[in-house]
Amino acid sequence: DTAVSQTPKYLVTQMGNDKSIKCEQNLGHDTMYWYKQDSKKFLKIMFSYNNKELIINETVPNRFSPKSPDKAHLNLHINSLELGDSAVYFCASSQTRRHAPLHFGNGTRLTVT
Amino acid sequence: GDSVTQMEGPVTLSEEAFLTINCTYTATGYPSLFWYVQYPGEGLQLLLKATKADDKGSNKGFEATYRKETTSFHLEKGSVQVSDSAVYFCALSEGNQGGKLIFGQGTELSVKP
Repeated sequence: DTAVSQTPKYLVTQMGNDKSIKCEQNLGHDTMYWYKQDSKKFLKIMFSYNNKELIINETVPNRFSPKSPDKAHLNLHINSLELGDSAVYFCASSQTRRHAPLHFGNGTRLTVT
Repeated sequence: GDSVTQMEGPVTLSEEAFLTINCTYTATGYPSLFWYVQYPGEGLQLLLKATKADDKGSNKGFEATYRKETTSFHLEKGSVQVSDSAVYFCALSEGNQGGKLIFGQGTELSVKP
């Protein structure tokens, strides 16, 4: 009965490849997010979707493309992977109300070699 | 722009010691403030929150008070346990940016028996 689940947990791939990370939440939330955590543990928002619509798109290379087939799912596709993409990617969800707390998945550790 | 600054870690304490992790913020509006905790290999979990000035958030023996005059939200616990070892993140939400959280850099806490 995991609330926010991401797959895979680990992803090791070579430069230039294309990969996807999947996220699903069963909390009934309308808003979902992707955050990136770098090697120094710093967290930064990448994207936010509300009811399948993109509402936040931070300065992220357009090699990163989120897709939300329905409000319970938000996937992240990355084209032409680069060494600098190595990080932990967290999916999160929240209710659509002011100051609602976020619920995070356990992260996907992406290593690009 | 909005930002959050936390004291640098790692912080190493003995069991039953008093904990303070400093957090200050810069915001243009009236943000909500949060502390999240990340245990090894896991996603972030909400620890406590405060939505307006002078509010005190508390959970599991941790407390933090929203101080508008000093723009601070310091985390405290009277007696830490080994199980409190984790990375602690202070964060703010302006509430008008689609749920976007701005995080501090995280403070690693290690509690020794």
